[in-house]
Amino acid sequence: QVQLVQSGAEMRPPGASVRLSCRASGFFFKDYSMHWVRQAPGHGLEWMGRVNLNRGVTEFAASFQGRVTMSRDTSVSTASMEMKSLTEDDTATYFCAREHLATAGYFDYWGQGAQVTVSS
Amino acid sequence: SYELSQPPSVSVSPGQTARITCSGDKLGDRYASWYQQKSGQSPVLVIYQDDTRPSGIPERFSGSNSGNTATLIISGTQHIDEADYYCQAWDTTTRRYDFGTGTSLTVL
Repeated sequence: QVQLVQSGAEMRPPGASVRLSCRASGFFFKDYSMHWVRQAPGHGLEWMGRVNLNRGVTEFAASFQGRVTMSRDTSVSTASMEMKSLTEDDTATYFCAREHLATAGYFDYWGQGAQVTVSS
Repeated sequence: SYELSQPPSVSVSPGQTARITCSGDKLGDRYASWYQQKSGQSPVLVIYQDDTRPSGIPERFSGSNSGNTATLIISGTQHIDEADYYCQAWDTTTRRYDFGTGTSLTVL
């Protein structure tokens, strides 16, 4: 069955960086893009960007451009997201979610989420 | 940025029909999807490409999208449907992905 298993909770001081991973199983990795979506406490969903799991091409929402990188390792079917220069406003739950490259435009499976807390 | 507006909350009695709207400029020109998120859980896709229901989603969930408004319809609403619902739009030209503001559904 399809599974997206994310790495665990992280705590960082302001100004630091954090790297999250999302290990995929149960489907052909290269047929998909992996997206990252975050949700601040008590707030809605915010799309951050995506990585094409076949080509490695990335696209980002304007608000994250230059501060976020996304990558994938096809040998272990894992996508990663790194965010630098963290502020307390980056405290949120971060989800990975897959999108089929052919039937694009929506996210049919999501990871369990990873809590990131930014605090001094 | 592209804004998608949803009512903050919708209330419905069990067995009645719940309608949750999502408004955006020329939203009908984009594909709309809907996600259900229960407290402390990950979102679950309930409608994609305006009106298509994924396998495993009950038939009481349906969707439409025209003009500036997409609508999620839950017929015969049940207590288990209590959750937050988010619309999401995808622009095939710009490949933008945008989420709505979210609606909390209460089944009284």
